[in-house]
Amino acid sequence: DGGITQSPKYLFRKEGQNVTLSCEQNLNHDAMYWYRQDPGQGLRLIYYSQIVNDFQKGDIAEGYSVSREKKESFPLTVTSAQKNPTAFYLCASSMRGWGYYGYTFGSGTRLTVV
Amino acid sequence: KQEVTQIPAALSVPEGENLVLNCSFTDSAIYNLQWFRQDPGKGLTSLLLIQSSQREQTSGRLNASLDKSSGRSTLYIAASQPGDSATYLCAPRGLGAGSYQLTFGKGTKLSVIP
Repeated sequence: DGGITQSPKYLFRKEGQNVTLSCEQNLNHDAMYWYRQDPGQGLRLIYYSQIVNDFQKGDIAEGYSVSREKKESFPLTVTSAQKNPTAFYLCASSMRGWGYYGYTFGSGTRLTVV
Repeated sequence: KQEVTQIPAALSVPEGENLVLNCSFTDSAIYNLQWFRQDPGKGLTSLLLIQSSQREQTSGRLNASLDKSSGRSTLYIAASQPGDSATYLCAPRGLGAGSYQLTFGKGTKLSVIP
């Protein structure tokens, strides 16, 4: 079955540590996205990528970095510069082209600072 | 910048009732609008995708309507069941430079009481 796989499901980060969240899709979608979800707030866009080797900052990119070396993969690194990283992180993908296509989401990674 | 409001924030109904969830958005220049369901601690599941040229979209007991000019969408759930209990999110997709981004509301938390 086609879909998006996020791993790990739970992740714990120590102060000053970088961590990487994995997102893989087998839907042959061109575009991929990372969102952050905090209690009582809507989802906020961190980064998105429309094609391989290209990505754009979203609304809250500070303290995060991404890469897009393969069409299927879009990992997110939460760096030590992100002061409040505890949140639920969601990866999504869609077909590229004139905005007519819907999004598919993964099951999420919950990151906690310890 | 697009802003999305969902009313009510929470709703509790007895099993079997028909119900309507409301979504309003400030910028009517959209490609489409997607309704999602989110169970606690889980990712988003797409329910319905309604294009800007459409008025309605139906899937089983769910019906979504879109009035782009007034910036409103509704999700109608017929004959509600306890399994419908979840948070429902609407997300319009913008045109132009924002065409690859969804903007989310904070959601409506639905509880269906057996």
